[in-house]
Amino acid sequence: SQELEQSPQSLIVQEGKNLTINCTSSKTLYGLYWYKQKYGEGLIFLMMLQKGGEEKSHEKITAKLDEKKQQSSLHITASQPSHAGIYLCGALPGGATNKLIFGTGTLLAVQP
Amino acid sequence: DGGITQSPKYLFRKEGQNVTLSCEQNLNHDAMYWYRQDPGQGLRLIYYSQIVNDFQKGDIAEGYSVSREKKESFPLTVTSAQKNPTAFYLCASSIWGGTGVAKNIQYFGAGTRLSVL
Repeated sequence: SQELEQSPQSLIVQEGKNLTINCTSSKTLYGLYWYKQKYGEGLIFLMMLQKGGEEKSHEKITAKLDEKKQQSSLHITASQPSHAGIYLCGALPGGATNKLIFGTGTLLAVQP
Repeated sequence: DGGITQSPKYLFRKEGQNVTLSCEQNLNHDAMYWYRQDPGQGLRLIYYSQIVNDFQKGDIAEGYSVSREKKESFPLTVTSAQKNPTAFYLCASSIWGGTGVAKNIQYFGAGTRLSVL
């Protein structure tokens, strides 16, 4: 079965620093979604990637999908305390299914 | 405001008791999902439904039951057969249960935390 691996599992950065979170799949992805979760709350949709080489940005967060569509990265520029939380990637594995698979998440802490 | 409402936010279950978690959406989405989230394990799919009066088991359906009598509502019952129910439960919905990437963006409720007394 297809799995998503996220790295790192956790990350502590100083405010203002840049950081990158990775999401790697064992198989080619049909679609890739990034979500953010505050502890004890629901997931907030951030961005969707579909095409190999695609890149999207929203405010200070940029997500990329590699050409082979097996790895995605989430880059945060000049991190702020408001960026703290758990980042999860979700993937549409393709084929005749609309069930998403999720990575285990990356816990981000931003120190003022 | 459109969105997904889960209630209650916190729920306690006694031994041998069935409890029901509510999920309501006003997004006019066809598909709805229930996930269980445990520390370090990510999200695991319990049940999902693509249309009214139809639903399918996910990866961990044992000990759970659902119904989909209305498009807006997808309640989850945690039965006494679920021996380890303590977890954070998340409900989600998406526009359409097909395979289109954009139409499968899932939007989530705020979650229900279930604990055992």
